[in-house]
Amino acid sequence: QSVLTQSPSASGTPGQRVTISCSGSSSNIGTNTVNWYQHLPGTAPKLLIYRDNQRPSGVPDRFSGSKSGTSASLAISGLRSEDEADYYCAAWDDSLNGPVFGGGTPLTVL
Amino acid sequence: EVQLLESGGGLVQPGGSLRLSCAASEFTFSNYAMYWVRQAPGKGLEWVSGITSNGHSTYYADSVKGRFTISRDNSKNTLYLHLNSLRAEDTAIYYCARDRTAFGLIITSQFGFWGQGTLVTVSS
Repeated sequence: QSVLTQSPSASGTPGQRVTISCSGSSSNIGTNTVNWYQHLPGTAPKLLIYRDNQRPSGVPDRFSGSKSGTSASLAISGLRSEDEADYYCAAWDDSLNGPVFGGGTPLTVL
Repeated sequence: EVQLLESGGGLVQPGGSLRLSCAASEFTFSNYAMYWVRQAPGKGLEWVSGITSNGHSTYYADSVKGRFTISRDNSKNTLYLHLNSLRAEDTAIYYCARDRTAFGLIITSQFGFWGQGTLVTVSS
């Protein structure tokens, strides 16, 4: 049981826009920023979004993040086949005094 | 390009010990907080441990506290994780990760670069 709760799955066709949600509480998302990671099994995970909505250099602007209250979302527009991966949200948790992850959302590009 | 190369994984019996290493290159290792994150088979990512850039402060997930020890040798650009009293549920790929920024005196949830991981299997 993960501290952060994510959409169990997501899917879309090439070119579409999809959204992945991440729900937490006042001890994590409610008071700390959210980061998003992309992970293709067997490879190194990649930081996609940090501090709720900032993109590291090299991450396409098709990826965007937002946060409201104790929930956050990752949006992917102009979906591509190479976006098929698992996506994780993460945030600092003040009660646990450490980072916590969501359970992950597998994205399928149909 | 930032490089993180994990090693030391393998098969170990329950109750056994292992030491993982993460060799870092192409950045100033001593400026960054570092982390271990794991992924059990069929499961999601789980933060395991973190250490500040100077090694003075260490942090652990409750699931490994008292059994795992994180350390670093800034002269060798290497991060370590000592795993003791291993359990079947510790079976996972263990990833080494670097903080996104060079402000290394705190740990965060911003894992800017990751290694490819090393597999630890705990089984009799």
